[in-house]
Amino acid sequence: GQNIDQPTEMTATEGAIVQINCTYQTSGFNGLFWYQQHAGEAPTFLSYNVLDGLEEKGRFSSFLSRSKGYSYLLLKELQMKDSASYLCAVSRIRDYKLSFGAGTTVTVRA
Amino acid sequence: EAQVTQNPRYLITVTGKKLTVTCSQNMNHEYMSWYRQDPGLGLRQIYYSMNVEVTDKGDVPEGYKVSRKEKRNFPLILESPSPNQTSLYFCASRPVLGTGETHEQYFGPGTRLTVT
Repeated sequence: GQNIDQPTEMTATEGAIVQINCTYQTSGFNGLFWYQQHAGEAPTFLSYNVLDGLEEKGRFSSFLSRSKGYSYLLLKELQMKDSASYLCAVSRIRDYKLSFGAGTTVTVRA
Repeated sequence: EAQVTQNPRYLITVTGKKLTVTCSQNMNHEYMSWYRQDPGLGLRQIYYSMNVEVTDKGDVPEGYKVSRKEKRNFPLILESPSPNQTSLYFCASRPVLGTGETHEQYFGPGTRLTVT
């Protein structure tokens, strides 16, 4: 199976930086995804890491260490619209299954 | 526009009344999947399909059926819905590794199902 752990909730101030950690255990790792989901809406793709290192996309960056089974999503210059749930998901090579963590709810305060 | 569509978006039904939630994608993706999302439990995979006529169980398949007769469509069938199937359902599709420009999984808008 796949165990994916991430914190349940985080709160930060507008303009600040927040780092959401994700640890996973899986067999046949084939990449790690981060998705953003606003309440009642579909998840939307943020980033994909398959090799170790940092991927930067504007205000969002994602890091992966395959040997440690660890990833983080970094949100910089937080805006009120960044208040959402952030989902860590691991892809498995055998059947392309994407397994999701329970999500981290980020609340941005003025 | 590349998209995954689901219908209906909202459905209230009664226990035991068969229903089908349709899912369609226009990206020619091989892989399609159904998830349910419940508070505190995250997205859990119900069934998936690697290609036409190839389907397999996910983590929570009990009480559900699927079919994949065409590449673009992947309906979810509840033969005899029960209240514990009240949930938010998402259909998703993605290209199989090596055949698409991105490994991104695209989600439909969701179907909120209530079974009374």
